[in-house]
Order: sequence, then C-alpha cells, then structure tokens
Amino acid sequence: AQSVAQPEDQVNVAEGNPLTVKCTYSVSGNPYLFWYVQYPNRGLQFLLKYITGDNLVKGSYGFEAEFNKSQTSFHLKKPSALVSDSALYFCAVRDPASGGSYIPTFGRGTSLIVHP
Amino acid sequence: EADIYQTPRYLVIGTGKKITLECSQTMGHDKMYWYQQDPGMELHLIHYSYGVNSTEKGDLSSESTVSRIRTEHFPLTLESARPSHTSQYLCASKTGSRSPLHFGNGTRLTVT
Repeated sequence: AQSVAQPEDQVNVAEGNPLTVKCTYSVSGNPYLFWYVQYPNRGLQFLLKYITGDNLVKGSYGFEAEFNKSQTSFHLKKPSALVSDSALYFCAVRDPASGGSYIPTFGRGTSLIVHP
Repeated sequence: EADIYQTPRYLVIGTGKKITLECSQTMGHDKMYWYQQDPGMELHLIHYSYGVNSTEKGDLSSESTVSRIRTEHFPLTLESARPSHTSQYLCASKTGSRSPLHFGNGTRLTVT
C-alpha cells in the first residue's frame, strides 16, 4: 500500500524568505515521488520528481526537493519565495513494487501564500 | 503547456440532465485518468484507463461512466446530473512507469 501526507493545509511566507512545503510518504519499497502545482482555475502542473539517484532534485521555477529515505520525506523548497509562487501544491507517491498499477496517490494539498 | 484539452471549461446544468465532459490528448499517452477535485482541494480518482477498450473505476464511487474507443479520447458521462455532482473534474494522462501525469485545465461543473 502507498500513502502520502501533507501535514500543513496552509503555509504563509514573506516574499524573499525561504519556503518549505512538507510531504511524508509510506510505501513498501523504493518510492517514485512527485510535486505538482495548481494555479487558480487550472489543472495541476508537474514541478519535479524523484525516481532514483541524487537525493536533491531540482525542478521548474527554482523549486527543489530533498528525498530523505530515513525520514520518509520529500519536502519542497525554494530559497527565495515570490508572490507569484502562491498556489496549491500537491505531493504524490507511487510504489513501483505495486505491480501493474500506474496510479499515484496524492496528498491533500497545501496552500502556499506568499505575502508581499 | 499541456497537450491535453478539456471541454467545456465551465458548465451549469439542471438536475436530471445527461452530460458528457470531453478530454483529448495529442501526446499518444496510453494511460488516462479522471479526477474529481472538491472545494477542499483534495483529488479523488474516479476512473482510469490503461489503453483502448480498457476502463476501470477508481477509489471514489461515482455515478459516471467513461469510454476509451480511441487512444486520444477519454470522455466522461453523467447520465443524470445531481447537485452532489457539482465539482471540478480534471483529466490527466501519462505514458511510462516513471513519467508524471499531464493534466488538463479542468471542467467546473455546477448542477442546479
């Protein structure tokens, strides 16, 4: 079974400050992990993924995420937040050991609000 | 930007009407998905398909049906719309095992 948790419904940060959006997961084997962003009245957009290799993954718009196997976490980070980063962020996990299933499990989403 | 298209973007209909939400992708992806997104943001998988003539129900019980006659097309039909169907519906597709989902911009449905 696979599951993912985003413990914060909302994150508030001032423009120019670093931001972190948290994600923890549970799978039986090695996970495939994804972050998506959703702007108002749009679908989800892919930001970055971890499949294997380097634990620090860089993605679109200056975002990065660090895979931590011991803490089963995949937190999304950005060194300096922009007001335009305000959006909904979703973490997703897929357990490749789940056989033929290609269905990721999504977290409940975190609303990021960046204040000017 | 995504090559997956959903129509209509917004739809307001009366209770009891039959509606079809369209989803098409031009990427040749074999796997396609329908999600319902409630106002609290959470995504619920309602249907998916691994290829032509393959359809499965997802985690959320839904009174909708889907079909996959062509690779690029994955329409969702509500035979009799109810106010409880008011929601945003997102279509997505993907290809290989390690690939992310590509989402359309959604259809916001309101049933009065």
